[in-house]
Amino acid sequence: AQSVTQLDSQVPVFEEAPVELRCNYSSSVSVYLFWYVQYPNQGLQLLLKYLSGSTLVKGINGFEAEFNKSQTSFHLRKPSVHISDTAEYFCAVSDLGDSSYKLIFGSGTRLLVRP
Amino acid sequence: KAGVTQTPRYLIKTRGQQVTLSCSPISGHRSVSWYQQTPGQGLQFLFEYFSETQRNKGNFPGRFSGRQFSNSRSEMNVSTLELGDSALYLCASSQGPSKGETQYFGPGTRLLVL
Repeated sequence: AQSVTQLDSQVPVFEEAPVELRCNYSSSVSVYLFWYVQYPNQGLQLLLKYLSGSTLVKGINGFEAEFNKSQTSFHLRKPSVHISDTAEYFCAVSDLGDSSYKLIFGSGTRLLVRP
Repeated sequence: KAGVTQTPRYLIKTRGQQVTLSCSPISGHRSVSWYQQTPGQGLQFLFEYFSETQRNKGNFPGRFSGRQFSNSRSEMNVSTLELGDSALYLCASSQGPSKGETQYFGPGTRLLVL
């Protein structure tokens, strides 16, 4: 069964510093990959997604992610974070062998940006 | 377009009761998925409906059920509530049919079971 691992439960970083949030998924079968962000007391908002093509995907708010098939990873990066980026970030996969829209989420990484 | 709306936003129930949560997808979207979010288990898939048909169901007991109406609005029902059912319940909608389309999430219904 497909699974998603986000190794870092919390990542503290200073404002304007770069950040990388790590995500690994379990299966080598074809998948779509997503990063979502959740602000307090809100639902999830899509940051970016990888469907096919270029392995470097650019998203909203200056975030980007790189798909690495051999390492089954999809790490999220931002070159310079802002206080407003403080939130919880979730990596998710959609198994192309499943006809539904089911997403399998990682456990989340709390990004804490300090001034 | 209006986003995904969920009602009610907050709910308090007692053990043994049942509850119905509602989700109105973005206009034109035919798929609605439901997720349970808890601090201990994270985000877990409950079920997904597409054009009134349940296409997938997560690993939850039969007390959890759902349905989708012809206007794509969806409801989920939890019977015989347990303390462990306290959670944020999120629904998400997609236009369909491509799997790569973005799922838009609602703000959630926070359920507290006492």
